[in-house]
Amino acid sequence: AQSVTQLDSQVPVFEEAPVELRCNYSSSVSVYLFWYVQYPNQGLQLLLKYLSGSTLVESINGFEAEFNKSQTSFHLRKPSVHISDTAEYFCAVSLPYDGQNFVFGPGTRLSVLP
Amino acid sequence: DVKVTQSSRYLVKRTGEKVFLECVQDMDHENMFWYRQDPGLGLRLIYFSYDVKMKEKGDIPEGYSVSREKKERFSLILESASTNQTSMYLCASSLQGAGYGYTFGSGTRLTVV
Repeated sequence: AQSVTQLDSQVPVFEEAPVELRCNYSSSVSVYLFWYVQYPNQGLQLLLKYLSGSTLVESINGFEAEFNKSQTSFHLRKPSVHISDTAEYFCAVSLPYDGQNFVFGPGTRLSVLP
Repeated sequence: DVKVTQSSRYLVKRTGEKVFLECVQDMDHENMFWYRQDPGLGLRLIYFSYDVKMKEKGDIPEGYSVSREKKERFSLILESASTNQTSMYLCASSLQGAGYGYTFGSGTRLTVV
């Protein structure tokens, strides 16, 4: 079975500073990896995903994540955050053939301070 | 734009009431899911459905039931609401292939008093 760990439950950071949100997964087979974002009082939105190919994937709002197979990690980074990035971020993993059994991490609350 | 729509954003119900939470998707997705989200506990799967009239228990099905009579609609039913069911409820849907990810609704914040 797969599992996902997000070690940081809360990450405060000042506006325009860089940020990294950590995600590690456990699986004996290849997986797909996802980052979701949840703004206050809203549902989750897909931010970016890694299925195969280039290990560095990017979102339209400046976030990027790098798949590292040897370290079983998929950390999310942004070089300069904005107040509007304040949200909860969830890492998720699934098996490539399975659309029913996503495993979500516990989430990391990013707070961007002025 | 494709969507998952949850009928209510905020709901207040009394203890013992029967509560229906409705979710509709317009993407012809096979799979639909109900999660609850509580501070410090993350997302917990209540039930999911992979086809019309088919359902599977998730991690915390006690106190809940579901109904899927049509492909686009998945209902969560609280047979007798209790205060410990006060939570944010999230509906999601997905295609059979995992690479597409889940699409979530905006959530229903249920308060049971």
